[in-house]
Amino acid sequence: ETGVTQSPTHLIKTRGQQVTLRCSSQSGHNTVSWYQQALGQGPQFIFQYYREEENGRGNFPPRFSGLQFPNYSSELNVNALELDDSALYLCASFYRGADTQYFGPGTRLTVL
Amino acid sequence: KNEVEQSPQNLTAQEGEFITINCSYSVGISALHWLQQHPGGGIVSLFMLSSGKKKHGRLIATINIQEKHSSLHITASHPRDSAVYICAVDRDNYGQNFVFGPGTRLSVLP
Repeated sequence: ETGVTQSPTHLIKTRGQQVTLRCSSQSGHNTVSWYQQALGQGPQFIFQYYREEENGRGNFPPRFSGLQFPNYSSELNVNALELDDSALYLCASFYRGADTQYFGPGTRLTVL
Repeated sequence: KNEVEQSPQNLTAQEGEFITINCSYSVGISALHWLQQHPGGGIVSLFMLSSGKKKHGRLIATINIQEKHSSLHITASHPRDSAVYICAVDRDNYGQNFVFGPGTRLSVLP
């Protein structure tokens, strides 16, 4: 039990739709990172938020966006869904300077 | 060439065996992480290393910064150790440049 939760667990959308995934971090974790893990592959870094500001981004297009809130929750928004967006989306939170990240269980998104 | 590579890709062991999973990387890093991912997706952070060796229970992780190599050892393996083990490197210690290896799928048979 990492203290990081994600919702929903599973989600099915159709191409072109928009989706919002949510992550609830441990209290005090001022940094949250989001990752995309396609089936059979390792996670890919999407972006990171630190104190509610985007603070680093991987090789993902602008239709992937996020928010971090003062209550240690965060969102990943994906617009204009494509079939290749089907993946497990993981969030990980930590207090900057700590020696470990805490991962949530993930949200499995299927785009039809 | 991937920035982070792991070997072996797949590993099957008998309960009780000593297991070693290797990770090599080609970029400068501030820290290296070993992660465990069970079927269904949940990831657990096992170790963060920037030098030397760490031990937690039956798990031991070592890193050689000069050789850009790390190993994860499992002593007295057990079927509950069956999972995917992922090596990931952090380039700046703030998690912004986190690069994951492809993972090693471990199956420990009773």
